[in-house]
Amino acid sequence: EAGVVQSPRYKIIEKKQPVAFWCNPISGHNTLYWYLQNLGQGPELLIRYENEEAVDDSQLPKDRFSAERLKGVDSTLKIQPAELGDSAVYLCASSSRGTGSSNEQFFGPGTRLTVL
Amino acid sequence: SQQGEEDPQALSIQEGENATMNCSYKTSINNLQWYRQNSGRGLVHLILIRSNEREKHSGRLRVTLDTSKKSSSLLITASRAADTASYFCATGPNEKLTFGTGTRLTIIP
Repeated sequence: EAGVVQSPRYKIIEKKQPVAFWCNPISGHNTLYWYLQNLGQGPELLIRYENEEAVDDSQLPKDRFSAERLKGVDSTLKIQPAELGDSAVYLCASSSRGTGSSNEQFFGPGTRLTVL
Repeated sequence: SQQGEEDPQALSIQEGENATMNCSYKTSINNLQWYRQNSGRGLVHLILIRSNEREKHSGRLRVTLDTSKKSSSLLITASRAADTASYFCATGPNEKLTFGTGTRLTIIP
């Protein structure tokens, strides 16, 4: 079974440029998460989708970040415009069902963003 | 914001030795999870311990939980080079996991 796929793995852009990250979750997983991980820190949740609905986007900086999950499968996270402080690893994860404590999250390898 | 804090921040041991890392958290929990992150790879779930459990084993891993002290420990026995990674504790329901700051473990061959 294929795991969570993310692309690109690395991205270098200049500040004020737009950037987009793509995630393909594990087949059949209804719940999709985007996390931000700064160097030396643990991941922090940005947004959670249940199917195509964003059910928790309270930590998403909506002035410059946006996300979508059309058809409840693949998801895209966008930053426009990027700032220097956005340099981090962006992780995508999926699980079979969001509620309850027994449904393990499966993480992708992440996209490492460097903003110059 | 980070709910948990791992201790130590970094740990280096010889291959074959045991490694112990600790996690302290702030609020009441229903369960606590441990994850491993290798260089270049995503996070991998290791083990979950529920608030009514005190100890749990999985292979070479042993996790303890002390809810009165709001702390957990992860013990890796007979360490191997492949155990070199960052280890994170995470609390909260799966839909709102909060990760700690991590312990960077290096196994010296």
